[in-house]
Amino acid sequence: SQQGEEDPQALSIQEGENATMNCSYKTSINNLQWYRQNSGRGLVHLILIRSNEREKHSGRLRVTLDTSKKSSSLLITASRAADTASYFCATEAMGDYKLSFGAGTTVTVRA
Amino acid sequence: EPEVTQTPSHQVTQMGQEVILRCVPISNHLYFYWYRQILGQKVEFLVSFYNNEISEKSEIFDDQFSVERPDGSNFTLKIRSTKLEDSAMYFCASSRDGRIEAFFGQGTRLTVV
Repeated sequence: SQQGEEDPQALSIQEGENATMNCSYKTSINNLQWYRQNSGRGLVHLILIRSNEREKHSGRLRVTLDTSKKSSSLLITASRAADTASYFCATEAMGDYKLSFGAGTTVTVRA
Repeated sequence: EPEVTQTPSHQVTQMGQEVILRCVPISNHLYFYWYRQILGQKVEFLVSFYNNEISEKSEIFDDQFSVERPDGSNFTLKIRSTKLEDSAMYFCASSRDGRIEAFFGQGTRLTVV
């Protein structure tokens, strides 16, 4: 299976702190995408990083990709209570046009 | 900002009944998808649709499932005879092409009783 696996499963931090979560996957990819899901709601696209990219930024988000280790990390800086959500990585394998999702990291930001 | 819209947001149906979940993808998108998420589990791919035909489907997408793009805007998922295990959140997604961001709708929570 191509599915990404996030680590940790759950993370609890204080507002203002940084949150880091990791994603590992198994086979070669075209790209890796991170999504956020608030409880019981839809998936919000956060950022896409292509296989030939190593780092990307979007606002308070920083994503890295290490294709040699088949891993990615998502860093949320200066976290806010509104960042409380589940975060999923999703990979698009080479030759594929679908996403394989991991189980997600549940982030709780305490005020 | 354009978004994928899904209706209804929640549907309760009796086992054995047919359901149709509806989606309006983003208007200039060409690739359409259905995913599902059973409560507490991973988001799973069901089917992708491009150029008016299924391009890929998963093992979950058996003969009970079908998809259709009946007009230029809607994209539907039909489950012919629902089972209890079909209870899940169903997400529609669309993408301008197959190699860039996929945008998801808010989901339809299907409860089969």
